[in-house]
Amino acid sequence: EVQLVESGGRRVKPGGSLSLSCATSGFKLSSYMINWVRQAPGKGLEWVASISSSSNYIYYGESVRGRFTVSRDNARNSLSLQMNSLRVEDTAVYFCARQGQGYEESIDQWGQGTLVSVSS
Amino acid sequence: SYVLTQPPSVSVAPGQTARITCGGDDIGSKTVHWYQQRPGQAPVLVVYDESERPATLPERFSGSSSGNTAALTISRVEAEDEADYYCQVWHSRSDHMVFGGGTKLTVL
Repeated sequence: EVQLVESGGRRVKPGGSLSLSCATSGFKLSSYMINWVRQAPGKGLEWVASISSSSNYIYYGESVRGRFTVSRDNARNSLSLQMNSLRVEDTAVYFCARQGQGYEESIDQWGQGTLVSVSS
Repeated sequence: SYVLTQPPSVSVAPGQTARITCGGDDIGSKTVHWYQQRPGQAPVLVVYDESERPATLPERFSGSSSGNTAALTISRVEAEDEADYYCQVWHSRSDHMVFGGGTKLTVL
């Protein structure tokens, strides 16, 4: 069974840092791009970042570029999202999501998400 | 930046057909995907590559795309179809993934 399991979400103060993890199983991670997508309370989906299968290409959304860093370890079937200089507007559920090799391919598997709350 | 525009809400009676649109500049030349999200759950892929349906999804779900509009059509709507629906593309010019704002489907 394909699984993506996020962890690490918690409450943090503005300006703080947080690292999220995504543990994968049931498929060969090195064959897939992975995305981080977030959803603020009561709002729609917002793409955060994409990382290619071998980490050669990494892209970020405008609202997080320069503050967030995504990385992956295919040997350990895991990914991470390092979030720095957190803002109140970063409050959201963060999903780890599997995509095919090509950027135009769909996201075919999602994790259940982990909640990040930024408040003083 | 590239923008995808969806109606905030669509309402339909059970058994009728729901059509959810997604507007974007020349979206007909892009690869469009659709996701369903029920409250408190992760999104689920319902249509990919404009009109393809995952094997586990019923044939009631279909998609189309042309010009500046893509559409998700749900035939013979059932109560369980009530959810939020999002369109999505990859904008190659900016190397960004883009989601529409989402449409809440209400089954009357």
